[in-house]
Amino acid sequence: DQQVKQNSPSLSVQEGRISILNCDYTNSMFDYFLWYKKYPAEGPTFLISISSIKDKNEDGRFTVFLNKSAKHLSLHIVPSQPGDSAVYFCAASETGANNLFFGTGTRLTVIP
Amino acid sequence: DTGVSQDPRHKITKRGQNVTFRCDPISEHNRLYWYRQTLGQGPEFLTYFQNEAQLEKSRLLSDRFSAERPKGSFSTLEIQRTEQGDSAMYLCASSSQGFSSGNTIYFGEGSWLTVV
Repeated sequence: DQQVKQNSPSLSVQEGRISILNCDYTNSMFDYFLWYKKYPAEGPTFLISISSIKDKNEDGRFTVFLNKSAKHLSLHIVPSQPGDSAVYFCAASETGANNLFFGTGTRLTVIP
Repeated sequence: DTGVSQDPRHKITKRGQNVTFRCDPISEHNRLYWYRQTLGQGPEFLTYFQNEAQLEKSRLLSDRFSAERPKGSFSTLEIQRTEQGDSAMYLCASSSQGFSSGNTIYFGEGSWLTVV
């Protein structure tokens, strides 16, 4: 039962353009969402998060958008850089819970 | 380096053997988590400690798996009678607070287990 879904296993983008990674969730109790970036043979690294009381959170080149009614969030990277090439995981949690539910990841390749 | 550290980074073992992984969390973090990641999947929650108390266990944590955090600092994850399906990356993470706006958990680099 995959409560967090990333339906695009891979994405290729030209350097300097926008990368948009998508994530859908099914559990309406989720109220906190995070994006992690993972390089091969390393653990996930936190990128950005958003609470359900907001619909947008921005940190430098990274912006996360949340559409609660559609149970959908997206991560925008502008401009994309070759160093952004990695696997990106969406994760979700609910208040009071002690675990994160992760999607299956999207592999982003930024082409120089 | 003051991040989460895990040992060993790689372990190859024969089916039926026992293996143990160690995790040293960020020193001021009282919350510690174990996750498992298999190829093509995202990390899956295994268990959670607050200080030395194991407060939550996933149904993925079969009776062959045991985790401890004896003094509320480092933690160990032991897998007994390993099976080929146990082959995965075992990730440890720590945090100082629960999940709420602005908080996150910090992952270690993981311990790769290959059961042959």
